[in-house]
Amino acid sequence: DTGVSQNPRHKITKRGQNVTFRCDPISEHNRLYWYRQTLGQGPEFLTYFQNEAQLEKSRLLSDRFSAERPKGSFSTLEIQRTEQGDSAMYLCASSFAPGDRGRSYEKLFFGSGTQLSVL
Amino acid sequence: AQSVTQPDIHITVSEGASLELRCNYSYGATPYLFWYVQSPGQGLQLLLKYFSGDTLVQGIKGFEAEFKRSQSSFNLRKPSVHWSDAAEYFCAVGPFSGGYNKLIFGAGTRLAVHP
Repeated sequence: DTGVSQNPRHKITKRGQNVTFRCDPISEHNRLYWYRQTLGQGPEFLTYFQNEAQLEKSRLLSDRFSAERPKGSFSTLEIQRTEQGDSAMYLCASSFAPGDRGRSYEKLFFGSGTQLSVL
Repeated sequence: AQSVTQPDIHITVSEGASLELRCNYSYGATPYLFWYVQSPGQGLQLLLKYFSGDTLVQGIKGFEAEFKRSQSSFNLRKPSVHWSDAAEYFCAVGPFSGGYNKLIFGAGTRLAVHP
């Protein structure tokens, strides 16, 4: 178990540029989550995948944001035309959920995050 | 609306002293409650969780938390703090219907430990 890996650890970009982050979940985890954490706040849910299917997107995820999880393994989060307000820590988490329904609990494992700074 | 409030932004304690971090939640039904810890450069780590049953739950690293329905609280406690406990602590509520981890986090409490 090598943990959830996120790359890059830090990204500095100029306003208007596109950025892409990568998350490698724990092997065989079927659920993958993206959260965003701004300074002085707790993480906020952005989106989640069950295998390769993106099943929910928060209203925080504007049209400039897109997330993918091809083949149900790693995931990418792309932000187009970055704005200063996008500056935040982007956290990825994964879990294994044995069932598709019900309020079953599955432990989340978080990565260390990608810190984005938009100048 | 569902929400989590952590009233204390910063707390400083001396090593060896006891600790209590406060958490209040607003939720329409019986919540699942969590405490996570985040150290610099590290991912969020689950300390403990409450789903049902005994309202006093034990977690890792000597932490415990007590669920009080009447006060909508889930305070985290530790009898004797170690310098390595310095970190940011987040209370969270969820998951919501659908059975997945769409957690709502509080803003966090940053803990400093004096020698």
